[in-house]
Amino acid sequence: QSVLTQPPSVSGAPGQRVTISCTGSSSNLGAGYDVHWYQQVPGTAPKLIMFLNDERPSGVPDRFSGSKSGTSASLAISGLQGEDEADYYCQSYDTSLSAWVFGGGTKLTVL
Amino acid sequence: QITLKESGPTLVTPTQTLTLTCTFSGFSLSTDGAGVGWIRQPPGKALEWLALIYWDDDKRYSPSLRSRLTITKDTSKNQVVLTMTNMGPLDTATYYCAHLYSSSSRFDYWGQGTLVTVSS
Repeated sequence: QSVLTQPPSVSGAPGQRVTISCTGSSSNLGAGYDVHWYQQVPGTAPKLIMFLNDERPSGVPDRFSGSKSGTSASLAISGLQGEDEADYYCQSYDTSLSAWVFGGGTKLTVL
Repeated sequence: QITLKESGPTLVTPTQTLTLTCTFSGFSLSTDGAGVGWIRQPPGKALEWLALIYWDDDKRYSPSLRSRLTITKDTSKNQVVLTMTNMGPLDTATYYCAHLYSSSSRFDYWGQGTLVTVSS
């Protein structure tokens, strides 16, 4: 059971917009800790695609956007492309556990 | 350019101790704010943070695995070593090391990972 909760899967057709939610608690997101997002294509290492809730690293398309409010966060991907098909993980810090924590991951399928 | 690479055994037998080395370049673990963490991922499962070491030798461990983990650094060799005792089949996973961005909570660069299988 992951500390951060994500839906196991989401899907969308090319060109559509999808959102992936990440639900935490008062000891992580609700305590003001930032959320970060990683994209993992099967067989490869995770790649940071969003940090500090809504900041995109250089090279990440602006089709990706993030937000956070209270104990929840979300990653939105607009204009879906086949290359977006991957697993996505949210991550933050939990002050009760004194640990870096990840979500359970969400598999994005581009139909 | 920051790069990290994990090395170690691909197969360990149950009860053995696993030793993994992360060799990195592009930053110094003696610089204020620098940190290197270890994260693992069992086949088909989610990422799990294991341990982290800061530039000042402050060490943090996953509460659930604390008793089995030790993380150390060799600044002169640009290496971080993770040891995990009493390995079991459930420890079969890809183990990643990653650079922690300047005392923040995010890992901005990751190694390619190394798959460790625990089997007799």
